[in-house]
Amino acid sequence: DAGVIQSPRHEVTEMGQEVTLRCKPISGHDYLFWYRQTMMRGLELLIYFNNNVPIDDSGMPEDRFSAKMPNASFSTLKIQPSEPRDSAVYFCASSFSLNYGYTFGSGTRLTVV
Amino acid sequence: EDKVVQSPLSLVVHEGDTVTLNCSYEVTNFRSLLWYKQEKKAPTFLFMLTSSGIEKKSGRLSSILDKKELFSILNITATQTGDSAVYLCAPSHGQNFVFGPGTRLSVLP
Repeated sequence: DAGVIQSPRHEVTEMGQEVTLRCKPISGHDYLFWYRQTMMRGLELLIYFNNNVPIDDSGMPEDRFSAKMPNASFSTLKIQPSEPRDSAVYFCASSFSLNYGYTFGSGTRLTVV
Repeated sequence: EDKVVQSPLSLVVHEGDTVTLNCSYEVTNFRSLLWYKQEKKAPTFLFMLTSSGIEKKSGRLSSILDKKELFSILNITATQTGDSAVYLCAPSHGQNFVFGPGTRLSVLP
């Protein structure tokens, strides 16, 4: 298995632009998580899905952030409009069950200038 | 509010030393605790602990959970330079996990 696949690996964009991050979970994993990691705040859960349905989005910072999972093999995290404080590494992770650990993707390093 | 404290936050040792990393937590609806190792990129899974007092081992790494005192430790014996990383603990909170700030371990040759 190729693991959790995220794209792009790096993204540099100007403030105000729309950014879309992509994730392909491990096949057969029913849970998908989006995390954000910064030096100041560590790893923060943004949202997670179970069977393509958003379960908890309480970690989404504000209305500028949205996430979708149109099918079991694809999810997106969109930021519109982006701001410099959104600069972080965004990780996607998937899991077979909540009784198992997560497998993380390699992350997308986002820089908003 | 959920709270996860890891100590020390940073640690520098020499190869061959043994280290103990600590994780204490206060979370609601606790069921299990995860340990991860993060080098340059994605965290990689080390252990999942669900029961108190049962040690989990993987090579030179071992971990144990105390659900009464709300803490876990991760031990690394005979450290190697490849053990240099940030070690994250994550107790469960309801249906997801809350990550601690991590312990940055540096192993010098």
